Amino acid sequence: DAGITQSPRHKVTETGTPVTLRCHQTENHRYMYWYRQDPGHGLRLIHYSYGVKDTDKGEVSDGYSVSRSKTEDFLLTLESATSSQTSVYFCAISESGGDRYGYTFGSGTRLTVV
Amino acid sequence: GENVEQHPSTLSVQEGDSAVIKCTYSDSASNYFPWYKQELGKGPQLIIDIRSNVGEKKDQRIAVTLNKTAKHFSLHITETQPEDSAVYFCAASNFNKFYFGSGTKLNVKP
Repeated sequence: DAGITQSPRHKVTETGTPVTLRCHQTENHRYMYWYRQDPGHGLRLIHYSYGVKDTDKGEVSDGYSVSRSKTEDFLLTLESATSSQTSVYFCAISESGGDRYGYTFGSGTRLTVV
Repeated sequence: GENVEQHPSTLSVQEGDSAVIKCTYSDSASNYFPWYKQELGKGPQLIIDIRSNVGEKKDQRIAVTLNKTAKHFSLHITETQPEDSAVYFCAASNFNKFYFGSGTKLNVKP
């Protein structure tokens, strides 16, 4: 998707290992979000950021941490991966917080914890 | 927090027919309601949205309606085509966060 890239696109990791997913944007948008997508649950918010070093929890934040040291990068870390964190992770960006222009989503990272 | 429910979970229609997907929300403070289309292996893409001060919005073959009193909104796709086959998500925005429905898999049979 234009202006937003996620890396890696696919990852397989072992239970108990730390994992970091990266979201990079070139749009200079203030708001960035991490969602996970699971069958039957739609998209659930993990964490979001409303500026550099400004982050807040979403509805499924347990087991995840985030960092945003630059406007363009938002990192999602699984400190000790568990099988329940096997999912597709999407990053999204928004200019206004989503209430006027909606979100732009990245292409996703498929994470498998074995 | 906000709770968004979406129905049906799967929908199969014949090419040329109409498709309707319905969502309800719980928080009366929600004021923005976007719809996203997700094709296989891709991220969701915004297809249409509506704000709480508007009852209906149309863009070519797609339209969205909103009933604030009943707290429900719907996506209508007319003259469906095979390329409309995808998963559709509704969402309700409360301040700077979206809450998504669980998705509807639409299959348009040629």
